[in-house]
Amino acid sequence: ETGVTQSPTHLIKTRGQQVTLRCSSQSGHNTVSWYQQALGQGPQFIFQYYREEENGRGNFPPRFSGLQFPNYSSELNVNALELDDSALYLCASSSEIMGQAWGYTFGSGTRLTVV
Amino acid sequence: GESVGLHLPTLSVQEGDNSIINCAYSNSASDYFIWYKQESGKGPQFIIDIRSNMDKRQGQRVTVLLNKTVKHLSLQIAATQPGDSAVYFCAENIGGNNRLAFGKGNQVVVIP
Repeated sequence: ETGVTQSPTHLIKTRGQQVTLRCSSQSGHNTVSWYQQALGQGPQFIFQYYREEENGRGNFPPRFSGLQFPNYSSELNVNALELDDSALYLCASSSEIMGQAWGYTFGSGTRLTVV
Repeated sequence: GESVGLHLPTLSVQEGDNSIINCAYSNSASDYFIWYKQESGKGPQFIIDIRSNMDKRQGQRVTVLLNKTVKHLSLQIAATQPGDSAVYFCAENIGGNNRLAFGKGNQVVVIP
């Protein structure tokens, strides 16, 4: 069984650029959620994907967007990067069974630095 | 590596002692709670979970207690080891929509 894997592990971008982060979900999991964790803070929910559609969104602007693919992997895209977007971006996968989440497992994250 | 525990409440515990970490949650509709451990430079690692129809659940060296009346969650770690040094977060699943809201985190430092 493989866990949640994210790529890249570290990334440096310039303000105004666009970035794509990738996540492969754990085997058997059908739901992917993305979180942003600023230094010294707890993770903040960005959005969730289930059956290739967005299934809930946190308080993040539209320049944060995502995709889920048929194999349940996912991408997080951020346009027009701002300095405050610098954070650890975490992907979590889970199984949604009868409306309940099981096995909510995080990857190691992508450390994004915007300069 | 970078610390995830900047300016967090810190619990210092002697190796071999028991640790108790507390968490207050906000939403009475929350039905699922998880404790995570996060080491510097890593993602949160699942420790133990509990659903709202339970008030206690035990794992290996860990116990989670849930008090819905006062919206309080605690994590007890028995015989704390140096490898337990990390930041611990409680997370609540709000209203069954499978998104987690995290608490502020508690830094645990184990003294050998």
